[in-house]
Parts: sequence; structure tokens; C-alpha cells
Amino acid sequence: DGGITQSPKYLFRKEGQNVTLSCEQNLNHDAMYWYRQDPGQGLRLIYYSQIVNDFQKGDIAEGYSVSREKKESFPLTVTSAQKNPTAFYLCASSTLLGQGSNTGELFFGEGSRLTVL
Amino acid sequence: AQKITQTQPGMFVQEKEAVTLDCTYDTSDPSYGLFWYKQPSSGEMIFLIYQGSYDQQNATEGRYSLNFQKARKSANLVISASQLGDSAMYFCAMRTPYGNNRLAFGKGNQVVVIP
Repeated sequence: DGGITQSPKYLFRKEGQNVTLSCEQNLNHDAMYWYRQDPGQGLRLIYYSQIVNDFQKGDIAEGYSVSREKKESFPLTVTSAQKNPTAFYLCASSTLLGQGSNTGELFFGEGSRLTVL
Repeated sequence: AQKITQTQPGMFVQEKEAVTLDCTYDTSDPSYGLFWYKQPSSGEMIFLIYQGSYDQQNATEGRYSLNFQKARKSANLVISASQLGDSAMYFCAMRTPYGNNRLAFGKGNQVVVIP
């Protein structure tokens, strides 16, 4: 089945450790995104990428890093510089506007819940 | 800057009744897209419906319809014949060229359907 796979689903981290969240898609989408969601809040964009080997900062990029070495993969690293990393992280992908009949809707993975102990 | 506002408190809805979720937006772009997503307690985001700024008709998808009032900059979601499985958070989102076509999300509306 086509879709987006995020792993791990739950992750616990000690303060000062870097962790990497995996995001893989087999939808052949050019664009990929990472969002952060805090309780009772909407989604805030961390990073996004519209093409391999290129990515842009979103609204809350500080303390995070990404790479886009393959079209299917967009891993997110939460570094020790992120002061409050406990949150729910959602990865998404989409076609680029102008491709087919797309509306630019995002397709989401099931999310990764990170807790810092 | 683009901004999405969802301010309703949590809502309780009787099964089989309709519910309207409010969303207002702010953008200076003439071309934009509006989306509604559903997030059940499991956490995944499910796309429901889309409305383009130049669309002449209000969007409909099964039991979901969008009451699009462009002059008022509102895009309210109407869920007809509520079902227990409709209990979830609902998010309004907007895409604009000014925002590099990224989606900006509102803070969501909580809906609980009661039997």
C-alpha cells in the first residue's frame, strides 16, 4: 500500500541526546514536511523540502536538522539544542502544485511521540 | 502573513445532527487553497475537503461540505448526520503562494459526538 511511514511511534530521550525520527514515503511525492504538534495546539512547520538535496526552514527550525538525500526519505534530527523537544511529530508529503490535478493536499504519517525524560 | 483562526470551544453534538465548525483566515494573496483535516485520538491527520479561492461552488465530499464566504474570509466546515466516529479534532489549513505554498494550520476544534 502507498503511504508514509514514520518510526519510531514512541521515543524516549534523555536530556542532551540527539534523536532521529524516520520518515519514508512511497507515493513518489516531491515535497516532504515535518510538523510539530503540542497539546491543544495546531501544527507548526519545522522544515520542508521540495526537491532532493534541498530543504528550507519552517517557522520553528531552531534545534532541528533534516536531510533529503533520497526522494523517499526525509529524516528529522532533534538535537540537544532544542529546549523543549517533548511533542508529537508529524511527517507529510505532497505533490508540487502544477502536477496533475493536485490541490497541494498533504498526506500524513501516523506520527512519532517524543518524550524527554 | 497568512493566519488561520479557529476559536470555538470544544463541542458536543448529538448523533445524527449536523455540526458547523468555524474557520476564518487572513491573506492578501488572491489565489489560495483551504483545507480541512480530521485528527482522531490515534493522531493521524485525515484530509477531508478542499476549497480553492477561485472555485465558484462550495466544496462537498460526502457528509462534509464547506460554507465558503470569500468576502468574509471564512471557510466553515459542515458535517451532516454526525456519527460517533466523527469525534475528533478538526483543523482548518490554508496554502498560499506567498507562504511558498506551505500549509498553515489553525489550532483546531474539538468535536465529541454523543449517542
